[in-house]
Amino acid sequence: AQSVSQHNHHVILSEAASLELGCNYSYGGTVNLFWYVQYPGQHLQLLLKYFSGDPLVKGIKGFEAEFIKSKFSFNLRKPSVQWSDTAEYFCAVSTTSGTYKYIFGTGTRLKVLA
Amino acid sequence: GAGVSQTPSNKVTEKGKYVELRCDPISGHTALYWYRQSLGQGPEFLIYFQGTGAADDSGLPNDRFFAVRPEGSVSTLKIQRTERGDSAVYLCASSKVGGPHEQYFGPGTRLTVT
Repeated sequence: AQSVSQHNHHVILSEAASLELGCNYSYGGTVNLFWYVQYPGQHLQLLLKYFSGDPLVKGIKGFEAEFIKSKFSFNLRKPSVQWSDTAEYFCAVSTTSGTYKYIFGTGTRLKVLA
Repeated sequence: GAGVSQTPSNKVTEKGKYVELRCDPISGHTALYWYRQSLGQGPEFLIYFQGTGAADDSGLPNDRFFAVRPEGSVSTLKIQRTERGDSAVYLCASSKVGGPHEQYFGPGTRLTVT
């Protein structure tokens, strides 16, 4: 069965620090990969997605993620975080056919100190 | 344009009661998903509709849970004989059909069973 692991459950950073959030998945086939963000009081929003092609994906608000197939990883990065990046971040995986339902990780709560 | 909407935003009910949660997807999105998010966890898949039919209900935890989408647009998640363990945020998402499109999430319904 598919599974997604996010090993960092809580991360606290100061503004301007660099961010990397880990995401590893378990699945033998081809996958689509996503990072979603949930700001306080708001709904899940798509940050970026990977379907195929260039494994380095750029998303909104300066975020990027790199798909490393050999490591089954899709880590999220941002060179310099802002206080407004305080949120919960979820990695998700779906199959490339069928229902495309998501398997989510448990999420990482990021707090950025001003 | 309008996003995915869910009503009610909050629902408090007593153990043993019946509840209905409504989802109104983005216009033109034929794929509709329900997820459940418990405290400290990522969303977990419940059921997927393609049009009017439930194409995958493998995530429904037991036969107290049922969902319908009679006209291929609005969907209702129904929970009978609610239990305290059903307390969670119930999320609805919609996406376009015919490919690995990303899902757009609603704000969720927070269900509390007392």
